[in-house]
Amino acid sequence: EVQLVESGGGLVQPGGSLRLSCAASGFTFSVYAMSWVRQPPGKGLEWVSAITGSGGRTYYADSVKGRFTISRDNSKNTLYLQMNSLRADDTAVYYCANNYYDSGITPKDWGQGTQVTVSS
Amino acid sequence: QSALTQPASVSGSPGQSITISCTGTSSDVGGYDYVSWYQQHPGKAPKLMIYDVSNRPSGVSNRFSGSKSGNTASLTISGLQAEDESDYYCSSYTSSSTHVLFGGGTKLTVL
Repeated sequence: EVQLVESGGGLVQPGGSLRLSCAASGFTFSVYAMSWVRQPPGKGLEWVSAITGSGGRTYYADSVKGRFTISRDNSKNTLYLQMNSLRADDTAVYYCANNYYDSGITPKDWGQGTQVTVSS
Repeated sequence: QSALTQPASVSGSPGQSITISCTGTSSDVGGYDYVSWYQQHPGKAPKLMIYDVSNRPSGVSNRFSGSKSGNTASLTISGLQAEDESDYYCSSYTSSSTHVLFGGGTKLTVL
């Protein structure tokens, strides 16, 4: 059974940083691209970032480019999202997901999400 | 880049069929067969229902089907059931720098 468990969310001040983690199990982690998708309170889904199975290619939404960094440790079956220069509009539930394709364009199985709140 | 366009809400009675549209451009929905549909119940994670326009993942009911014409993709749910009441989101690969776009979401009400 695929399991994706996000952690690392919390309350942070504007301009601050957080690192999210996603622990994966139940599938061959290194084969699959991984994604982060977020959902602001009461709003729709927004794709954030993706990384190929090898970690060799990364992709970012324009809204987070230059502030967020996606990475993975295939030896630990763990995905990360380093978030810097956080703004109020980054407040959201952040989900990690594996993908059907190595390009990270089709999130398949999703975790339960971790809440990130940016507020002073 | 703007999100894909979905109706805010649709409704139907049990047993009926409904269709949710998802309109984009030739740079996303119209240009590639990488359209997906997700179901999300309140407080829960999204669940993939359709990928690559019309493919169903294992375990998804065949009451759910997808199609595409031009720049508009569609999700059809036949034989509506109370448990289908949920939010539905489309997504698509985009050749723009953003890589993936989601629609704004559609709330399905089963009357």
